[in-house]
Amino acid sequence: AQKITQTQPGMFVQEKEAVTLDCTYDTSDPSYGLFWYKQPSSGEMIFLIYQGSYDQQNATEGRYSLNFQKARKSANLVISASQLGDSAMYFCAMIASFKTIFGAGTRLFVKA
Amino acid sequence: NAGVTQTPKFQVLKTGQSMTLQCAQDMNHEYMSWYRQDPGMGLRLIHYSVGAGITDQGEVPNGYNVSRSTTEDFPLRLLSAAPSQTSVYFCASSSSRTGNYGYTFGSGTRLTVV
Repeated sequence: AQKITQTQPGMFVQEKEAVTLDCTYDTSDPSYGLFWYKQPSSGEMIFLIYQGSYDQQNATEGRYSLNFQKARKSANLVISASQLGDSAMYFCAMIASFKTIFGAGTRLFVKA
Repeated sequence: NAGVTQTPKFQVLKTGQSMTLQCAQDMNHEYMSWYRQDPGMGLRLIHYSVGAGITDQGEVPNGYNVSRSTTEDFPLRLLSAAPSQTSVYFCASSSSRTGNYGYTFGSGTRLTVV
């Protein structure tokens, strides 16, 4: 069975600082993918970044990077140089056997 | 504009009524899924499809039916609405051709069952 765990219900970060959002996962599939999505207060869901289980390097997309530690089954999101517009809910997700499940989310507050 | 279109955006149902939430995508994506999001919670997978004619159950399938007769459309049917089905419903699609399976989401349907 697949499982995604996000243990931080809420996080605060000062504008222009970096922040790490935690995500751990569990699956018996040898091939899987990990995602992060952003949900602003408007409610839309925005795809941020993807990491495949066989990818050797950590994924990066602009200010977002995914710190993938396969042995620890963790896929933390790092946001560098936080901006006020980064305040939102962030969801970690995993795809295995064509099924994508989501974690409970972390609400990020960026302080000016 | 290319994307995922969900209708309606808002709906109020009485307990026991049935209805269909519509979802259509114009990106020729193979994969489509339905999720529900309850307040303060993540998204829970209801049903998903890997292609026309192929559907499977997700984490919370009870009370919902789906079909995928075309690549573009993936309607979600509530058979007999219950207050526990009050939620925001998201439809999403993705494709392996993008190099990942990242979803494009619809804007959601806010459903209230009274």
